Amino acid sequence: RKEVEQDPGPFNVPEGATVAFNCTYSNSASQSFFWYRQDCRKEPKLLMSVYSSGNEDGRFTAQLNRASQYISLLIRDSKLSDSATYLCVVTGSGNTGKLIFGQGTTLQVKP
Amino acid sequence: NAGVTQTPKFRVLKTGQSMTLLCAQDMNHEYMYWYRQDPGMGLRLIHYSVGEGTTAKGEVPDGYNVSRLKKQNFLLGLESAAPSQTSVYFCASSRTLGREAFFGQGTRLTVV
Repeated sequence: RKEVEQDPGPFNVPEGATVAFNCTYSNSASQSFFWYRQDCRKEPKLLMSVYSSGNEDGRFTAQLNRASQYISLLIRDSKLSDSATYLCVVTGSGNTGKLIFGQGTTLQVKP
Repeated sequence: NAGVTQTPKFRVLKTGQSMTLLCAQDMNHEYMYWYRQDPGMGLRLIHYSVGEGTTAKGEVPDGYNVSRLKKQNFLLGLESAAPSQTSVYFCASSRTLGREAFFGQGTRLTVV
């Protein structure tokens, strides 16, 4: 089983739609969680960190469910510019320093 | 504001050749990482380092070696390149565990 799993999609949605991605992780000792965004053939960039209490940044909301070992990303009022691959990232257990990526979920926002 | 710089950006190797990819960061970060990205596979961790002089294996370390002799540099070596190592390689660094990781622009390597 992969340490971090995501539905690869693609998710095809119209502009203005709300879309949600989930990500599950296998190691209950993981301590830090992130969502990264990657545009085609570019390097990944941090979208937002994910905190236990949940956090929001404009149209983006991230949540963590430690009991069920999943994190989620909600995008409201989708824009064409949101089209990208969204990567779920989890730190490895035991404070080893590992940073583990999911395979990514592709979002395509259409006019 | 260089951030994380990878060299080279593109390379074509013949099977059996060796090469070294260089990653340099100017942010005084402790942690550095090497990933490979293949279609449908996401980013897979090859090796990482939690400080100068330290290295550790990631998910897919076979066929690669690394060194971190200076805090700002993290080198990835391929001793005998194989076609299966054709990939896009990304280097990243972060201040500490749990902080944002910054990525280089990637190295596109083709082994023929």
